[in-house]
Formats: sequence, C-alpha cells, structure tokens
Amino acid sequence: DSGVTQTPKHLITATGQRVTLRCSPRSGDLSVYWYQQSLDQGLQFLIQYYNGEERAKGNILERFSAQQFPDLHSELNLSSLELGDSALYFCASSPLGDEQFFGPGTRLTVL
Amino acid sequence: AQKVTQAQTEISVVEKEDVTLDCVYETRDTTYYLFWYKQPPSGELVFLIRRNSFDEQNEISGRYSWNFQKSTSSFNFTITASQVVDSAVYFCALPLFYGGSQGNLIFGKGTKLSVKP
Repeated sequence: DSGVTQTPKHLITATGQRVTLRCSPRSGDLSVYWYQQSLDQGLQFLIQYYNGEERAKGNILERFSAQQFPDLHSELNLSSLELGDSALYFCASSPLGDEQFFGPGTRLTVL
Repeated sequence: AQKVTQAQTEISVVEKEDVTLDCVYETRDTTYYLFWYKQPPSGELVFLIRRNSFDEQNEISGRYSWNFQKSTSSFNFTITASQVVDSAVYFCALPLFYGGSQGNLIFGKGTKLSVKP
C-alpha cells in the first residue's frame, strides 16, 4: 500500500459526459501528479500540483482540468468525454524532489 | 530531449530462469535519477528502485539487481531465479528537472514479463 488513495476505482460513463477523479496524497506529501495510461500512448504525464499551485503541465487536453485543495487532495475533471479518453488514470504524490508513489488508479471506461 | 527506450516489448521465461530487462535513456541533464516500477496484473504501479547518476555501483536487492552504465546510457534490471509472481509489466522512468528539483516522470513503453511454471 503506497499510502496514496484514489476514488473511484472504476468509472463507466457515456460520451459527452463529465467525471471527477479524486486523489488523496500520502501524509505530508505536498506534490501531486496525474498520469494517464492508455494502450496506444502508454504512461503519460498530465499535470502536477505543488501545495495548491499548478507546477507543470504535460499532455493534458483542454477538456481536462485539475486542482489541489488546501487539504492537499486533488481532483482531475474530465469533460466532454470521448471514447479515446478511456484509460487508467493514476495519481502520484511525493515530497518535492523525491520518488513518486502511485495510487491504485481509476479505470475510466467511456461507452 | 528526455527519452526512455525499452526495446523489449514482451519476454517469456520459465520459472527459475534469470531474465534481464533493458532500459536505455537519453537526457541532457548532468545529474539525474532513474527509476524502475512494476505493474502487476492488478494494475497498481509499484516503486522498485531509484538510482542517482553519481552512483554507478550495481544494486542488489534479493533476487533483483540493477546495472547502471552511464557510458552506454543504460539502466538494466535483472531478476535472478524468476518466479511466477514476477509476472508483470516493468517500466523504466526518468524524471524531468525544473525549478531545480525533480518533476514528472518520463516512462518507457514497458516490458511485459511472463514467467511460466
């Protein structure tokens, strides 16, 4: 158990819908990362937050957004969902500049 | 540019065989880290090791060992006497650095290891 929690574990929704994925980092970790794992693209970095502020952006679509709250949990919002958004979404946390520990992931299926 | 290449897509071995997973990286940083993660069939990503570019000594942890060679930009992972429970996808990863500290990871495509009884 990495200490990072993600909810929900599975999510099935329809095209055009909007979903929110939630991540709680390990106790004391200020940095949260979101990654997407799909069959064709592999593991790709989406976005990083550090202590509530956006720190880095990767290949995140404009339809996706994220935030980190004062209690350090983070949410990834995916809107206008398309079939291609079906993937495993991971959250990872770390103290800044240290190894990242990954949550169990949320498997999103868009039908 | 930062890049990680895992040329072996899939490897299949019989239990008790030794197996080496290859990782070749490209980086413009003079100081960097390298990581290996394991993703078992259950799907979670499990941290295995982090190495600093300053330290080229081989690392051994039980049946696992890592060979880091800066001259060939490689960070290979060997499992000795493989077991069925080692069946997983293994990822090599390289972090970007920004603002003077480690940031997000660049992952290789992964190597799927199947260990048959």
